[in-house]
Amino acid sequence: GQQVMQIPQYQHVQEGEDFTTYCNSSTTLSNIQWYKQRPGGHPVFLIQLVKSGEVKKQKRLTFQFGEAKKNSSLHITATQTTDVGTYFCAAQYSGGYQKVTFGTGTKLQVIP
Amino acid sequence: GAVVSQHPSRVICKSGTSVKIECRSLDFQATTMFWYRQFPKQSLMLMATSNEGSKATYEQGVEKDKFLINHASLTLSTLTVTSAHPEDSSFYICSAPGQKETQYFGPGTRLLVL
Repeated sequence: GQQVMQIPQYQHVQEGEDFTTYCNSSTTLSNIQWYKQRPGGHPVFLIQLVKSGEVKKQKRLTFQFGEAKKNSSLHITATQTTDVGTYFCAAQYSGGYQKVTFGTGTKLQVIP
Repeated sequence: GAVVSQHPSRVICKSGTSVKIECRSLDFQATTMFWYRQFPKQSLMLMATSNEGSKATYEQGVEKDKFLINHASLTLSTLTVTSAHPEDSSFYICSAPGQKETQYFGPGTRLLVL
């Protein structure tokens, strides 16, 4: 089946440092979504990327979709302690009927 | 924004009993809902797609007779874990598609089977 890999699995950063997580699919995606899950919580939708090469920004967060629509990245500038959590990409494939396949996730820890 | 609720939020049961989890879309209709399971420190794994008015579609490796899904109305899907065992202890989360293919997730149900 389709697999979506994320790296790194864990990341510890000092507050103020930047952070990036990468998401890779073995097959071309219809679109990719990003979610944040706080410890003990449920995933919260952050953004969706649809177009090849698309770049979207939300304050300190920058999301990119690769030209081949097989990979994506999330970059956080100047991390804050409120950024702590696990970031998941979630892929949708053509013909998937709204079904999403979650990536393996990257757990971010921010050291104050 | 769209809200999805789940009930109960937490349940502890004895091995061999059945547990029902409800997922409701509160301010929108959902002909399709999804059920996920998340083990500690792992990602969300899709279990099944719940379809209003028809049978659920199960992912490979998920036993349909063990995880019964009923999508009785446009705002309610239920997941029943039958004859629960300790290995079924997990975080069960439902979601419903919103506009532009986004997903709205419920708060999840933590199941502990003793």
